[in-house]
Amino acid sequence: DVKVTQSSRYLVKRTGEKVFLECVQDMDHENMFWYRQDPGLGLRLIYFSYDVKMKEKGDIPEGYSVSREKKERFSLILESASTNQTSMYLCASSSGTGGMNEQFFGPGTRLTVL
Amino acid sequence: GQNIDQPTEMTATEGAIVQINCTYQTSGFNGLFWYQQHAGEAPTFLSYNVLDGLEEKGRFSSFLSRSKGYSYLLLKELQMKDSASYLCAVIDTGFQKLVFGTGTRLLVSP
Repeated sequence: DVKVTQSSRYLVKRTGEKVFLECVQDMDHENMFWYRQDPGLGLRLIYFSYDVKMKEKGDIPEGYSVSREKKERFSLILESASTNQTSMYLCASSSGTGGMNEQFFGPGTRLTVL
Repeated sequence: GQNIDQPTEMTATEGAIVQINCTYQTSGFNGLFWYQQHAGEAPTFLSYNVLDGLEEKGRFSSFLSRSKGYSYLLLKELQMKDSASYLCAVIDTGFQKLVFGTGTRLLVSP
């Protein structure tokens, strides 16, 4: 079974803190994604990566950065957390570049910024 | 621009059939996914359509009309465990980048 794991299920941080969210997948997938999910807004893509050390901005990259030093690991970084970054963060991975390559999601990290 | 519309919430009765509609307007189209998401859990894959027509998978079927920018997910013989959110997502460009609708919350009652 494909497995995508995220470092924490719940996280509470203070405004201004630097926050690291880690995601690891075990299926040798090329593509990895970070989304945030908010009520009424659905899943929105923050960043994605299609190869080690490669990254692309998604629809809402402001306030975030990412790192992909190894194929299996994709990190989301909040340089200076703000209250409007309180959200559910979901990581996903997929293989290939076309066709029916479903994204497999991790369990999510619910981040609260106080 | 990109726009994917789904109803916010639907209710149905155990054993019934429900159809969840999704309309999309995107600059490109390379396929449409349906995902199921139970409260507090990760989305899980249900179906994929890239050509027009109906794809059947057990109690779940998904339909696509590319000319109309329209898809639906059909759930038959509803069970209580089908209470979840159903997410419609379109691959907008050649790469594996999904654009999601806001999801439809389905409540199945006894």
